[in-house]
Amino acid sequence: GAGVSQSPSNKVTEKGKDVELRCDPISGHTALYWYRQSLGQGLEFLIYFQGNSAPDKSGLPSDRFSAERTGGSVSTLTIQRTQQEDSAVYLCATGLAITDTQYFGPGTRLTVL
Amino acid sequence: RKEVEQDPGPFNVPEGATVAFNCTYSNSASQSFFWYRQDCRKEPKLLMSVYSSGNEDGRFTAQLNRASQYISLLIRDSKLSDSATYLCVVDRQGATNKLIFGTGTLLAVQP
Repeated sequence: GAGVSQSPSNKVTEKGKDVELRCDPISGHTALYWYRQSLGQGLEFLIYFQGNSAPDKSGLPSDRFSAERTGGSVSTLTIQRTQQEDSAVYLCATGLAITDTQYFGPGTRLTVL
Repeated sequence: RKEVEQDPGPFNVPEGATVAFNCTYSNSASQSFFWYRQDCRKEPKLLMSVYSSGNEDGRFTAQLNRASQYISLLIRDSKLSDSATYLCVVDRQGATNKLIFGTGTLLAVQP
């Protein structure tokens, strides 16, 4: 069956450029999380969406980061004016509810030169 | 105090050994508990949910101790393939409910 998919799998960009990362959830999953993981570190929560409720943006590290989820399905995470410290793996996870089992996508590895 | 705390390890054990990890959580109202496994440079994957009565899946046993606010994972007869980082996950109940991940415990099973 189809799991969570993310694209691109790898993204190399230059400092100062904008990037957009995409997450396609498992069909029917209303909860969607974005995390960031730097090499050798734990998961850093960024944002979550739950159905039609207002998203919890409390983990976004700066106003350069934004995310949206259109139609309760696909989500995009946008990073403006990328910095080298933004280099990390960005993981998306979805579930039936916000505190239910989360299923992760394979991640997008972002490298900012 | 962190919401979810784990010993980062590494736990170096020989094949066939039994190893146990604990994870403490701070929110007494938490209701959902999970163990995830993350292999090097891969995404986390659900290992097992943790139920109040405790549960077992093959060589893996998970238990919940609400009074002391910790969950545990026991791995019997360790295999080389068990080498990974084990993440403890607990829900935060309150004004904003969400899952909180621990930073993980690294297990290295040695031949």
